[in-house]
Amino acid sequence: KQEVTQIPAALSVPEGENLVLNCSFTDSAIYNLQWFRQDPGKGLTSLLLIQSSQREQTSGRLNASLDKSSGRSTLYIAASQPGDSATYLCAGRDSGGSNYKLTFGKGTLLTVNP
Amino acid sequence: GAGVSQSPSNKVTEKGKDVELRCDPISGHTALYWYRQSLGQGLEFLIYFQGNSAPDKSGLPSDRFSAERTGGSVSTLTIQRTQQEDSAVYLCASSLSPGGEQFFGPGTRLTVL
Repeated sequence: KQEVTQIPAALSVPEGENLVLNCSFTDSAIYNLQWFRQDPGKGLTSLLLIQSSQREQTSGRLNASLDKSSGRSTLYIAASQPGDSATYLCAGRDSGGSNYKLTFGKGTLLTVNP
Repeated sequence: GAGVSQSPSNKVTEKGKDVELRCDPISGHTALYWYRQSLGQGLEFLIYFQGNSAPDKSGLPSDRFSAERTGGSVSTLTIQRTQQEDSAVYLCASSLSPGGEQFFGPGTRLTVL
């Protein structure tokens, strides 16, 4: 059964800093991995989806990588802004018959200070 | 275009009452999912629909929980005889295909007194 871990649980940085959020998973037979952000009291906003055949995906200031052999994914945020403050969640799907089901980490609470 | 919508946004109920939570997925999305987000528990999978069928109900925590989907669109999650431990945010998501990118609704915050 896939298990997803996110470290650290919370991160505080000054505005303008580049930062990396970490996600690890236990089963390397991962189908794909999705990164989300969640603002307080809101639902999840999809940021990036990386297929198992891909090494990275980019969207604006965000870059997500996937290394199946080490069971790790990272989300890189360039030139952070106060508006980036949110909880960031990663979620993986297993290969095989249950590739529809997302298994979530508990998230990293990011605070970007002006 | 319209995203996933859920209603109500907030629901406060008394222990023992039944509640119904509604999800309207993105038009054309055949796959629909329910998740629950509790303090300290993170996000847990509840049930998956493909069309109107639910091939995976493994995440439903007890037989008090049930869900249906009609017309390949709207889904309703029903909790009977609510308990305080049912208090959580219930999130619905949909995707174009089962392994595809999931898009989430804003959630329903359920409080059982």
